[in-house]
Amino acid sequence: GEDVEQSLFLSVREGDSSVINCTYTDSSSTYLYWYKQEPGAGLQLLTYIFSNMDMKQDQRLTVLLNKKDKHLSLRIADTQTGDSAIYFCAELEDSSYKLIFGSGTRLLVRP
Amino acid sequence: DADVTQTPRNRITKTGKRIMLECSQTKGHDRMYWYRQDPGLGLRLIYYSFDVKDINKGEISDGYSVSRQAQAKFSLSLESAIPNQTALYFCATSDLSTPSIYNEQFFGPGTRLTVL
Repeated sequence: GEDVEQSLFLSVREGDSSVINCTYTDSSSTYLYWYKQEPGAGLQLLTYIFSNMDMKQDQRLTVLLNKKDKHLSLRIADTQTGDSAIYFCAELEDSSYKLIFGSGTRLLVRP
Repeated sequence: DADVTQTPRNRITKTGKRIMLECSQTKGHDRMYWYRQDPGLGLRLIYYSFDVKDINKGEISDGYSVSRQAQAKFSLSLESAIPNQTALYFCATSDLSTPSIYNEQFFGPGTRLTVL
């Protein structure tokens, strides 16, 4: 079955860039997503990328997609303490419209 | 007001008890989902429903049942709770009738369930 993998933890200094990586297995996924979960809250869609794109930029966020290697990354520029959260990578299972989530990466931003 | 609400937000119960978690949405979405979140395991899909008459099992449906009482309500039941069902449970919705181009799911705030 489909599988999405992420590293569990990332610590960066405030003002540095953060890069969160993800690998997935379903090469037919039309969309891939990054969701953000702040403490005590549900998940919110942060950004997404369509499978025919290599890169998507949205303000401080840059998403890179390498379809050959099935690798997705999220870069946060000028990371702020408010960016501390858990970030989930997810792929869309096109046949069922289900989301397959990774295990989540906890980002800790140090002052 | 929140678009996706869950009740209760926290629940402590004992092994063997029957528990119902409720989810309501005001977004008018057809699709609803129940997930559980465990540390290091991400979110795993328990059940999903594409409309009132359509209920489907997810990857971890054993020990759970659901009811889609109306378009806006989707409840999750644990018939006989066991300690390894201790987790954070999320309800989510998405749009089928006018699909978002990117199929965004909208999540409730979660229910923290502890089974002793």
